[in-house]
Amino acid sequence: IVLTQSPGTLSLSPGERATLSCRASQTVSSTYLAWYQQKPGQAPRLLIYGASSRATGIPDRFRGGGSGTDFTLTISRLEPEDFAVYYCQQYGSSRWTFGQGTKVEIK
Amino acid sequence: QVELVQSGAEVKKPGASVKVSCKASGYTFSSYGISWVRQAPRQGLEWMGWISPYNGNTNYAQKFQGRVTMTRDTSTSTVYMELRSLRSDDTAVYYCARDCYSTSCYVHWGQGTLVTVSS
Repeated sequence: IVLTQSPGTLSLSPGERATLSCRASQTVSSTYLAWYQQKPGQAPRLLIYGASSRATGIPDRFRGGGSGTDFTLTISRLEPEDFAVYYCQQYGSSRWTFGQGTKVEIK
Repeated sequence: QVELVQSGAEVKKPGASVKVSCKASGYTFSSYGISWVRQAPRQGLEWMGWISPYNGNTNYAQKFQGRVTMTRDTSTSTVYMELRSLRSDDTAVYYCARDCYSTSCYVHWGQGTLVTVSS
């Protein structure tokens, strides 16, 4: 399964809404779709699992959705600490894949 | 609580091998597969392969076939990833991560191990 994220880079201002896309080459069970945030020099931080469940401590401005081959991560109002790279991932089997990442940068 | 603790940073010369360990605790070791994922500097996350702690079955990414071996020791709840014939572009942080098979769980990650390949 190939995961393709778009756009590659998203230039937005604090307070704006960010919508990130993750498209799969074949159907992915919603149970096994996750989103991560990564900042320079840090390990990936789990945001969303099971396509729409927020991980512990993740603010409710982060929302995951979608099914089948199309998944989205929405950040309702960007905070300064949200500018980072975001990855989607499919798991739950003996072969995982990651999207190539979307960079959310300050406009 | 689920915890994966990896071995420490390594510096290797080109052509050498590295073996990274990942000790699991807080759950039934044999019940969940473990994947290895790496991230080279300024690159994305790259899945390397998977091992079943239950029976030792493995599944490697084609890119690493023939150069990687994943094993496990059930007596110590530890999995190992050995990468051979190291090149400079193998310099990366290597992570182990525990899989998940239901809606109520999520992938747990080790802290990462930096492997530097340099002459």
